[in-house]
Amino acid sequence: EAGVAQSPRYKIIEKRQSVAFWCNPISGHATLYWYQQILGQGPKLLIQFQNNGVVDDSQLPKDRFSAERLKGVDSTLKIQPAKLEDSAVYLCASSFGVLYNSPLHFGNGTRLTVT
Amino acid sequence: SQQGEEDPQALSIQEGENATMNCSYKTSINNLQWYRQNSGRGLVHLILIRSNEREKHSGRLRVTLDTSKKSSSLLITASRAADTASYFCAKTKTSYDKVIFGPGTSLSVIP
Repeated sequence: EAGVAQSPRYKIIEKRQSVAFWCNPISGHATLYWYQQILGQGPKLLIQFQNNGVVDDSQLPKDRFSAERLKGVDSTLKIQPAKLEDSAVYLCASSFGVLYNSPLHFGNGTRLTVT
Repeated sequence: SQQGEEDPQALSIQEGENATMNCSYKTSINNLQWYRQNSGRGLVHLILIRSNEREKHSGRLRVTLDTSKKSSSLLITASRAADTASYFCAKTKTSYDKVIFGPGTSLSVIP
């Protein structure tokens, strides 16, 4: 099966600029996750979708971050305006859903550098 | 905040030795999962263990779960240089669909 696709692979922007990341999950996966991983740390959940509804976004900085999942399939994560501390790898993952006790499948991530 | 911790934070062993990593958590869980991450890559799922299970095996990997102690261990037997990576445990709360990762253990296997 095709894996989780993410783009772009790398992005360098200046602070206060905006940036968007795209994720295409594995076909049939109802749950989609966006994680932020700062170097040397574990992934931090930003937002979790079940189909096109939000399950949890408690750690999403909503003053600058936004995310949507179009028609319950693809998803985009946007940062506007970016800050230096947003430099991290942004990982997208998908699964059939935890209630099915299914594992997460991750994309290779987008490495964001904010200068 | 992240739920639970892995220890040790870093582990360095010789090829052929066994590596043991531990994961603790604070609240009840639905299941616990272990993932591996090679440098610059996404995470790869290793093993999922349900809250009513005590032990699972996959090749050279063995995972145990002790719900009374709220802890899990990942054992890699006969380690290889290719096992060098970061290992993370992830917890799912009972009746809650949120998947939370710990800070991970960085494993170095020296040839």
